[in-house]
Amino acid sequence: QKEVEQDPGPLSVPEGAIVSLNCTYSNSAFQYFMWYRQYSRKGPELLMYTYSSGNKEDGRFTAQVDKSSKYISLFIRDSQPSDSATYLCAMSATGTASKLTFGTGTRLQVTL
Amino acid sequence: NAGVTQTPKFRVLKTGQSMTLLCAQDMNHEYMYWYRQDPGMGLRLIHYSVGEGTTAKGEVPDGYNVSRLKKQNFLLGLESAAPSQTSVYFCASTRAGATQETQYFGPGTRLLVL
Repeated sequence: QKEVEQDPGPLSVPEGAIVSLNCTYSNSAFQYFMWYRQYSRKGPELLMYTYSSGNKEDGRFTAQVDKSSKYISLFIRDSQPSDSATYLCAMSATGTASKLTFGTGTRLQVTL
Repeated sequence: NAGVTQTPKFRVLKTGQSMTLLCAQDMNHEYMYWYRQDPGMGLRLIHYSVGEGTTAKGEVPDGYNVSRLKKQNFLLGLESAAPSQTSVYFCASTRAGATQETQYFGPGTRLLVL
């Protein structure tokens, strides 16, 4: 069993929809959680990070961590075609980015 | 400030050939990483370095070697390429010990081994 599980999708939604992307994990030592966005043929880029439990909001994006359930989510409000990308979750037990464990990524397609 | 750059962007090799992938970063980061990304497998760590002159094995190191002679450069070598090494290779870097920091990724190198 992988330490981090993520549904690969693809997930197709109409423009303006609310998108929910999720990861589950098994290592209770994880305390630093990140979401990366990766456009086709590009490198991953950091979208959101959360330290420990709770919510964090940045514009249309909200990251949520539930450590008791070992479950993290990324919500995208008012989704746009430009949000079409692969979203990877990443986690760290050290509290820094020195060693990250990645999910396999969920491919999102936002249609007009 | 170019961030993390990778050379080349794309390469085709025949089985048994060798090549070196170059990663360079201008952010004065201590830590550097080489990952490979395959469909359904996500990002897998090949080798990493915590400083100039030091390297360590990651999750999938077999068939690869690395060197970090300068702080800003991290080289990934394939001595005898195999079709199983067809993949997209990403380099990343980060600061040592900094909380709320991230790994910064390069644009990737697409490698096809025939």
